[in-house]
Amino acid sequence: DGGITQSPKYLFRKEGQNVTLSCEQNLNHDAMYWYRQDPGQGLRLIYYSQIVNDFQKGDIAEGYSVSREKKESFPLTVTSAQKNPTAFYLCASSGGLSDTQYFGPGTRLTVL
Amino acid sequence: AQSVSQHNHHVILSEAASLELGCNYSYGGTVNLFWYVQYPGQHLQLLLKYFSGDPLVKGIKGFEAEFIKSKFSFNLRKPSVQWSDTAEYFCAVNYNFNKFYFGSGTKLNVKP
Repeated sequence: DGGITQSPKYLFRKEGQNVTLSCEQNLNHDAMYWYRQDPGQGLRLIYYSQIVNDFQKGDIAEGYSVSREKKESFPLTVTSAQKNPTAFYLCASSGGLSDTQYFGPGTRLTVL
Repeated sequence: AQSVSQHNHHVILSEAASLELGCNYSYGGTVNLFWYVQYPGQHLQLLLKYFSGDPLVKGIKGFEAEFIKSKFSFNLRKPSVQWSDTAEYFCAVNYNFNKFYFGSGTKLNVKP
């Protein structure tokens, strides 16, 4: 069953702690993305990766970090430097940068 | 920076009414255009896309969209909505085979 998995679905952390969100795809896609979805603001791009061992900052990268050591995995770390981390985070993948993106179910992060 | 605007944030319609959701984007070179839909409790999924050719594109579930280059618009239409069309709709633009930009979304409520 091909697709994108994100875990966990809900995540709670204390302020000041780093937290890593998981994203795995078995679609054999080269490109992967992380978005943040806030009410009334749509999806905003955090980071994206065209290929293994390479990634680029999106529009709101401050306070986040990523790695792309394997084609199928693109974990996102929300660091303590992120001023407003409570949000819904979506991971996506596509065959190429301009191709249709396929989305995971999302992780809702709440920082207390 | 590029931007995508969806002016209707919340639309309420009765079943069988016609739908048109607006999407405008800023100039930025070559564009590929998409509409995504997020049904309650489900992943974001592709509704339709335009890369080139006939500017009137048809998607799933009777939706269509028209690309009007001179107006920088890619409006979504459906002649007769159903209760099952209740969802949030996102317009997305890929500029120059690079990053995607998403609109803020339109929540559609269809009353049975």
